[in-house]
Amino acid sequence: QKEVEQNSGPLSVPEGAIASLNCTYSDRGSQSFFWYRQYSGKSPELIMFIYSNGDKEDGRFTAQLNKASQYVSLLIRDSQPSDSATYLCAVNIVSNFGNEKLTFGTGTRLTIIP
Amino acid sequence: DGGITQSPKYLFRKEGQNVTLSCEQNLNHDAMYWYRQDPGQGLRLIYYSQIVNDFQKGDIAEGYSVSREKKESFPLTVTSAQKNPTAFYLCASSSGTGFYQPQHFGDGTRLSIL
Repeated sequence: QKEVEQNSGPLSVPEGAIASLNCTYSDRGSQSFFWYRQYSGKSPELIMFIYSNGDKEDGRFTAQLNKASQYVSLLIRDSQPSDSATYLCAVNIVSNFGNEKLTFGTGTRLTIIP
Repeated sequence: DGGITQSPKYLFRKEGQNVTLSCEQNLNHDAMYWYRQDPGQGLRLIYYSQIVNDFQKGDIAEGYSVSREKKESFPLTVTSAQKNPTAFYLCASSSGTGFYQPQHFGDGTRLSIL
């Protein structure tokens, strides 16, 4: 089982609609969760982080965390063509050897259709 | 402006050659990280440093070396022992230690084999 899993997509969403991106993780002890946006050929850019169960809103973005079910989601409201990018989920994972690191999913490619 | 500067943007390595990628930050962050990104894969941790003069191996440290002589600088050397160095290399930093704080990335260096 992969430590952090995301649907690779592509996910196509009409402009103005809500885009929903999901991420599941394997470590029940994980405490920190991050969403990064990565445009093609560019480096990842942090857009949201969440530590507690529930929702966290920042502008058009909402992160949702459910530790019991081990998933974290990112909602993008009023989707714009500029939101077209790959979205990376990152979670702090403690390995079987006790080493902690930030583990990234492979990303979901989102395309907003005008 | 505060940020993370990686140089060069593109780098070409000849067979048997060591090359060094530069990473400098003026954010006064304690921790710095090196990741490698290959197409279709998540970011993989090469090395990280949470304090000056100390660094730890990540998941794929073989064929790489680092130093942390100054808080602001964390150069990565790709040695000739790294047989498949072609990738997008990303440097990141975070305030505080551990993997609880958000990591912020530089613009990256693309390394190719000549």
